[in-house]
Amino acid sequence: NAGVTQTPKFQVLKTGQSMTLQCAQDMNHEYMSWYRQDPGMGLRLIHYSVGAGITDQGEVPNGYNVSRSTTEDFPLRLLSAAPSQTSVYFCASSYRQGAHYKETQYFGPGTRLLVL
Amino acid sequence: GENVGLHLPTLSVQEGDNSIINCAYSNSASDYFIWYKQESGKGPQFIIDIRSNMDKRQGQRVTVLLNKTVKHLSLQIAATQPGDSAVYFCAERHMDSNYQLIWGAGTKLIIKP
Repeated sequence: NAGVTQTPKFQVLKTGQSMTLQCAQDMNHEYMSWYRQDPGMGLRLIHYSVGAGITDQGEVPNGYNVSRSTTEDFPLRLLSAAPSQTSVYFCASSYRQGAHYKETQYFGPGTRLLVL
Repeated sequence: GENVGLHLPTLSVQEGDNSIINCAYSNSASDYFIWYKQESGKGPQFIIDIRSNMDKRQGQRVTVLLNKTVKHLSLQIAATQPGDSAVYFCAERHMDSNYQLIWGAGTKLIIKP
């Protein structure tokens, strides 16, 4: 298993540009999520999905869109990049156990985004 | 407001000593807590978790203690090794956050040779 993979590893954007951060997992996990991590801070949840076709907003969803057409993929789209979106973005996944999703999330290596 | 925070942003420990990383939380309704380790340039990795109906849970070289009276969580690492150098995050879960994890700011653990 490759686990959770993210591309690209690093990206520089100009203000106003759009782009998609890719995330894929091969563990057949139902739950996937996107976080951003700013220097000296913990992770903040952007969007999450509990299964294909289902997405929901997290703590900081503004400026980002997601979709979940398959179990494996959960892309994050920046509609019009702003310098405030400069951050490290992590994708994570977890599996379902009974009625609950396991809180133990498996994280990808991250994408470093710089918006000029 | 809700807060999951840490008492010390940086902790320096002699190799071989025990490390204790602390975390405070403010939501008494939190029912689940988890510790992650993040090495430089990598994503967070699960260390250990504990549910609110427990006071203590042990893993390999790690112990998590939960004191619900003072809303305090700690991670103890026994016989600290150079490979333990990382940032450690605590996170909590409660109904108010729709059961999504709320993360603290992290503590950087530095191991002195």
